[in-house]
Amino acid sequence: AQTVTQSQPEMSVQEAETVTLSCTYDTSESDYYLFWYKQPPSRQMILVIRQEAYKQQNATENRFSVNFQKAAKSFSLKISDSQLGDAAMYFCGITDSWGKLQFGAGTQVVVTP
Amino acid sequence: ETGVTQTPRHLVMGMTNKKSLKCEQHLGHNAMYWYKQSAKKPLELMFVYSLEERVENNSVPSRFSPECPNSSHLFLHLHTLQPEDSALYLCASSNGLRVNTEAFFGQGTRLTVV
Repeated sequence: AQTVTQSQPEMSVQEAETVTLSCTYDTSESDYYLFWYKQPPSRQMILVIRQEAYKQQNATENRFSVNFQKAAKSFSLKISDSQLGDAAMYFCGITDSWGKLQFGAGTQVVVTP
Repeated sequence: ETGVTQTPRHLVMGMTNKKSLKCEQHLGHNAMYWYKQSAKKPLELMFVYSLEERVENNSVPSRFSPECPNSSHLFLHLHTLQPEDSALYLCASSNGLRVNTEAFFGQGTRLTVV
């Protein structure tokens, strides 16, 4: 069984500043992927970034980057130069070798002008 | 069009009612999922279908009954629900079940059981 824990129910950040969302996971799989999805008020989940467990290099997508610490089973998301459009619920997720995607409870990001 | 469409967007039903949630994907995917999203809880994976066959059923009560008539459509039939079943139900699809698969989500159905 896989579990994902997001310990921050809500994070607030000012525009143009940086915020980091934490995520820890547990898995017995050797082959897995980690994901961050964003859920804006429209409720539709959108993929933000993904990381293959075998890759040591941290994934980056424009203003979004991850800090993947495999030994610690930690997968945090950093949002740089925050924008008002980044306000959303962010979910950390993990897939197993069968492709089943499990998520954490989410972190609400509030962006203030 | 978003690629994954869920209807209805909102549903209020009594505990004795029978209703169905519908999900349709236009992405050519062959795997589909139902998730339950309750406040302050992890998204719960309820059912997974691959090539129209159910491959996962995470101990979901029998008052939830999924149906996948073809690779483009997924239903969740509801009957004799409880108030604690009120939640956002999300449908997703993916191109196969692989470790690196990206799931595409619909906008969900907000269900309220009264």
